[in-house]
Amino acid sequence: EPEVTQTPSHQVTQMGQEVILRCVPISNHLYFYWYRQILGQKVEFLVSFYNNEISEKSEIFDDQFSVERPDGSNFTLKIRSTKLEDSAMYFCASIGRGEANEKLFFGSGTQLSVL
Amino acid sequence: RKEVEQDPGPFNVPEGATVAFNCTYSNSASQSFFWYRQDCRKEPKLLMSVYSSGNEDGRFTAQLNRASQYISLLIRDSKLSDSATYLCVVNGASGTYKYIFGTGTRLKVLA
Repeated sequence: EPEVTQTPSHQVTQMGQEVILRCVPISNHLYFYWYRQILGQKVEFLVSFYNNEISEKSEIFDDQFSVERPDGSNFTLKIRSTKLEDSAMYFCASIGRGEANEKLFFGSGTQLSVL
Repeated sequence: RKEVEQDPGPFNVPEGATVAFNCTYSNSASQSFFWYRQDCRKEPKLLMSVYSSGNEDGRFTAQLNRASQYISLLIRDSKLSDSATYLCVVNGASGTYKYIFGTGTRLKVLA
């Protein structure tokens, strides 16, 4: 089965530093997502991306966050100035054409620890 | 009301038992429904989509009740390997592709 690839698997950073989380969605997919999951909590929607622009974002996705698809394969999430509460597992996901009942394909996640 | 609501559990059941989970959603215009399974600190993986007529996949049966805005998952003949968190996922109304997750229901199957 095709896979969504995320790197790194773990990222440790100091509060206030910038981090970039990287994802390679499935090659023919058109819709891309970032979700986060704080330990012990639910999977939360951050942002969706289609046709090189943000299509939806949650209230969590504030000015500290940005997404980019710089080269047609990578899809990145940047956090400009990390806070302790940004510590979480970040999942990238994608779907193909946005048809009914399309399932989300997830990457294995990046565990971000902010110290 | 939460967008997608689940009983967090845990549900502790013996091997071989039948267990059922429910999930309610708030947006009556929601289009697509899924059950995902998540193992500890891993990514969610699709267990099954949920269709209007109900559907079955081996020991797993999913039902959708649009009038009452809930979906259910039934697991028959539980196995130790079924121990996981089961996530109810709802895709938004027409024009949105936002997949909303419930908090998940934790299942422990005991030997």
